[in-house]
Amino acid sequence: DGGITQSPKYLFRKEGQNVTLSCEQNLNHDAMYWYRQDPGQGLRLIYYSQIVNDFQKGDIAEGYSVSREKKESFPLTVTSAQKNPTAFYLCASSIDQGPDTEAFFGQGTRLTVV
Amino acid sequence: EDQVTQSPEALRLQEGESSSLNCSYTVSGLRGLFWYRQDPGKGPEFLFTLYSAGEEKEKERLKATLTKKESFLHITAPKPEDSATYLCAVQAPGYSTLTFGKGTMLLVSP
Repeated sequence: DGGITQSPKYLFRKEGQNVTLSCEQNLNHDAMYWYRQDPGQGLRLIYYSQIVNDFQKGDIAEGYSVSREKKESFPLTVTSAQKNPTAFYLCASSIDQGPDTEAFFGQGTRLTVV
Repeated sequence: EDQVTQSPEALRLQEGESSSLNCSYTVSGLRGLFWYRQDPGKGPEFLFTLYSAGEEKEKERLKATLTKKESFLHITAPKPEDSATYLCAVQAPGYSTLTFGKGTMLLVSP
């Protein structure tokens, strides 16, 4: 069953800690994305990757880091430098070229700072 | 800079009461305009892609239309299960990333 799997569903972080959110896809998509969603806000792009071992900053990359060592995986690390990390994090993937470039989303990780 | 504005922010309908959601956009060229449905605590679910002005797509009680400046999501005879937040996003030529609006929260009462 093809799709995108995010884990964990809920994550609690103490002040000053780094945490890593997992995102795996088996859709054979080249491109993967991380978005952040806050109440009353649209989805904002954190990082994206169009090919293995390469990624680009989105609109709100400060305080986050990513890696893309495998086509299927695009983990996001929320570092202690991110001042307001409490949010709903969404991972997505899509084909990169040609038609039908709609993005498919995982079910999200809700991160709370305690 | 690409911009997407959705209106209204929230809409309450009675079951069977048809209406439309609006998505106005500013983008340097348009590769595609996307509609998603998002249930509380879940990831967005893809509904439609529209590529050029005049294009229409339908799915059950939903129909999406596109002009050069805006898109409408028409909901015909909605049911309570249509209650969700509907998100609009645009994609510029040469890019695979999406710029999202803030969404319209739809509540359909029985």
